[in-house]
This record gives sequence, C-alpha cells and structure tokens, in this order.
Amino acid sequence: EPEVTQTPSHQVTQMGQEVILRCVPISNHLYFYWYRQILGQKVEFLVSFYNNEISEKSEIFDDQFSVERPDGSNFTLKIRSTKLEDSAMYFCASSGVTQGVVETQYFGPGTRLLVL
Amino acid sequence: AQSVTQLGSHVSVSEGALVLLRCNYSSSVPPYLFWYVQYPNQGLQLLLKYTSAATLVKGINGFEAEFNKSQTSFHLRKPSVHISDTAEYFCAVTRSGGYNKLIFGAGTRLAVHP
Repeated sequence: EPEVTQTPSHQVTQMGQEVILRCVPISNHLYFYWYRQILGQKVEFLVSFYNNEISEKSEIFDDQFSVERPDGSNFTLKIRSTKLEDSAMYFCASSGVTQGVVETQYFGPGTRLLVL
Repeated sequence: AQSVTQLGSHVSVSEGALVLLRCNYSSSVPPYLFWYVQYPNQGLQLLLKYTSAATLVKGINGFEAEFNKSQTSFHLRKPSVHISDTAEYFCAVTRSGGYNKLIFGAGTRLAVHP
C-alpha cells in the first residue's frame, strides 16, 4: 500500500540553525500539507500546498518557515532559524483527487525535531 | 470557524469492554469528520471518515462512529477492545469539498488493560 515517508525520523539542532524536513508524498497525490504536534498538545495545521503554491497557511507559519517541492517526488519544510519553541513532531500529509473530489489526507510517520 | 472538542483526555478500560470516545464539533458549513489513531512512536493512521453519506461509519479494526447533526457529535465506538487498541485517538474536522486543513481535537489516550 502506498504511504507517505518522512526523513529524518529524529533531528536535534542548535537554536538559530536551519533545518530541512523532507517528505515523499504518495506518488499520484496533488495536495500536500505540514502539521506539527508540540509534546502534549494538539496536532496543528501549518501549511497546505498545491500546484507549486501555498494554498493556505496558519499564523504559526511565519517568515521563518518555507515549503518547496524541489522535484517530482519530495516536499520539504525549511525552518530558517530554529527557536526552542519549534521543538515538536512534524507531520507531512498528502491527498489525492478522485472524480473531482479531494480525498482523505494520509499522514507520514513524522519527524521529531528537538531544538537545544 | 471550525473546532473539535474531545471529552476525556484519558480513558482506561479492560480488554473486551465496550469503549466510547467522545467528539463534538463546531462548524458553520457542512463538515467532513475523521478519526485518526496514533500508536506509540508512530504517525497518524486513518480509522474512519464521514463525508455526508451514511451517518453510521465503519472503519478499520472494528471501530465505528456515528454522525449526529443535531448533537454535533461524532463519537467513536468499539464493542470489544483489545490490548492492541492502546493508542491515542484524534477526532478532526474539515470543510466538505475541496482540499482543506484538518482541525484536530486534543486527543484521547486509550489504555486497554488485561
């Protein structure tokens, strides 16, 4: 069964450093998303992406964040200058379209980011 | 605006018992509703979804949920739980049609003991 994959599974970084989280969505999906879950808190929407553009972003997704689809398979989330409060589990998701209806979002296993 | 409230952050039951995990939603437009499960150290897996068809939705692993418009609820139920159902369960809502962000509840941690 096709699945969303994410790398790395864990990342530890120093405050102020740049990190890039990588995702490979399901191959025929067209819509891509990033969510995050701070330890003990809700899963929160960050950004959605379609047709090489951001479709929607949350208040969390400030200028320190960016997303990119650099090739036909990867979808990345970059945090330019990490803060302590960026420590969280980051989930990538993707969804396809069937008969004009956008389908369910399927999630990857997540990247646990720890900022020291 | 949409929101989800999950009553009960922790539920503990014995193996073989019936479990009911509560979810209430708020939405000004027709919603799509989902239950996702997160096993320890894993990602989010879809259990089931409601997208305006039948109000009783059956999912994987013997789970089912019922959409109740008048009570704005989408409670998750399993008649007889197994120890392997120990996990965190998230209810989520989105707008019907098109791609849209998921709004998640805070989650309910289910512990099933022998």
